[in-house]
Amino acid sequence: GENVEQHPSTLSVQEGDSAVIKCTYSDSASNYFPWYKQELGKGPQLIIDIRSNVGEKKDQRIAVTLNKTAKHFSLHITETQPEDSAVYFCAASLNTGGFKTIFGAGTRLFVKA
Amino acid sequence: GAVVSQHPSRVICKSGTSVKIECRSLDFQATTMFWYRQFPKQSLMLMATSNEGSKATYEQGVEKDKFLINHASLTLSTLTVTSAHPEDSSFYICSARAGRTQGTQYFGPGTRLLVL
Repeated sequence: GENVEQHPSTLSVQEGDSAVIKCTYSDSASNYFPWYKQELGKGPQLIIDIRSNVGEKKDQRIAVTLNKTAKHFSLHITETQPEDSAVYFCAASLNTGGFKTIFGAGTRLFVKA
Repeated sequence: GAVVSQHPSRVICKSGTSVKIECRSLDFQATTMFWYRQFPKQSLMLMATSNEGSKATYEQGVEKDKFLINHASLTLSTLTVTSAHPEDSSFYICSARAGRTQGTQYFGPGTRLLVL
């Protein structure tokens, strides 16, 4: 089945710097890759997603890139702010009859003021 | 984006009692709902998937008689933890998807369960 690996597990950056989180997936049939942000004590919130027919997508300070050949995708946050501090999860969806979303282990991002 | 609510947000109960958690999609019809369990500093562990009007599909290792799931309407799914024990204490999160086989999953705010 699908397996999603996420790195790093913890990331600490200075306010204003960029943060990059990387994920790899194993099943080339996966075609949908959402990213979620989870703040302490809350449920995950979708922040951006990308489909396999697109190589890059941007939404203000957040961008996601996808390399289908290498089976990896990345989240880029520019001009980080303290409120960006949270746990970020990448995910890959396998568009078969079961359609499960497989999540990475998460990256705890700390943005230091 | 779509809104998913959960109730209650937190619950404390005595060992041996049953607890029901509700998950509602507020502004869309959720053909499929998912229930996750999350331990501190860990990822989301899928417990079961339910399609409206059908029996839930449980992941390996999840006891269906322990965690009862009902998805009776397109906007409501419930998870009942029966005869709860301290080891059932966790953060339970539901998510909902409009499509049966595709579409974005939107998560609820989670329910923190503490069993004494």
